[in-house]
Amino acid sequence: AQRVTQPEKLLSVFKGAPVELKCNYSYSGSPELFWYVQYSRQRLQLLLRHISRESIKGFTADLNKGETSFHLKKPFAQEEDSAMYYCALESNAGNMLTFGGGTRLMVKP
Amino acid sequence: NAGVMQNPRHLVRRRGQEARLRCSPMKGHSHVYWYRQLPEEGLKFMVYLQKENIIDESGMPKERFSAEFPKEGPSILRIQQVVRGDSAAYFCASSPGQGTGELFFGEGSRLTVL
Repeated sequence: AQRVTQPEKLLSVFKGAPVELKCNYSYSGSPELFWYVQYSRQRLQLLLRHISRESIKGFTADLNKGETSFHLKKPFAQEEDSAMYYCALESNAGNMLTFGGGTRLMVKP
Repeated sequence: NAGVMQNPRHLVRRRGQEARLRCSPMKGHSHVYWYRQLPEEGLKFMVYLQKENIIDESGMPKERFSAEFPKEGPSILRIQQVVRGDSAAYFCASSPGQGTGELFFGEGSRLTVL
């Protein structure tokens, strides 16, 4: 069975500090991983996907198959980054996404 | 494009009543997914549908819950004989195809069972 674990429910950092939101997964196949974000009073939306190897809003995430991790990182947090972040895994069947429990990021001024 | 539309946004039911939640996917999207979010928990997959077909219902409770996505009209998640434990936010998402990884979410329907 596939599983996504986000060990931190809440992460609080000061503006300008580096931030890392942790995500670990378990899946027997070759996973596709994503980060979704939900800003206050907005819908859940895709932030980035590992296959694109892109940086979105300064965020990057590297898939580490050895550690089965897909941590989300940003070198300098901004107040507008405050939101709920969800890590998600898509199975090879491509039927649906399995989400982690989410991490609330609070960036303090 | 108005995005994924869910209604009602808030629904209050007494134990034993029925709850119907509706979801209209984005224009051009034929794949619909329902997720449930219990208080203080993450999103849990319930069911994946295409027009007139249930593709994967592995996350849906076997009893009292059903879902459909008819040829015409919105997708409907139906909960019969609701219990207090059904109180949750129910999110619908749509995608244009299978395996794209990007789901477009609605704002959710919050069900409260008294």
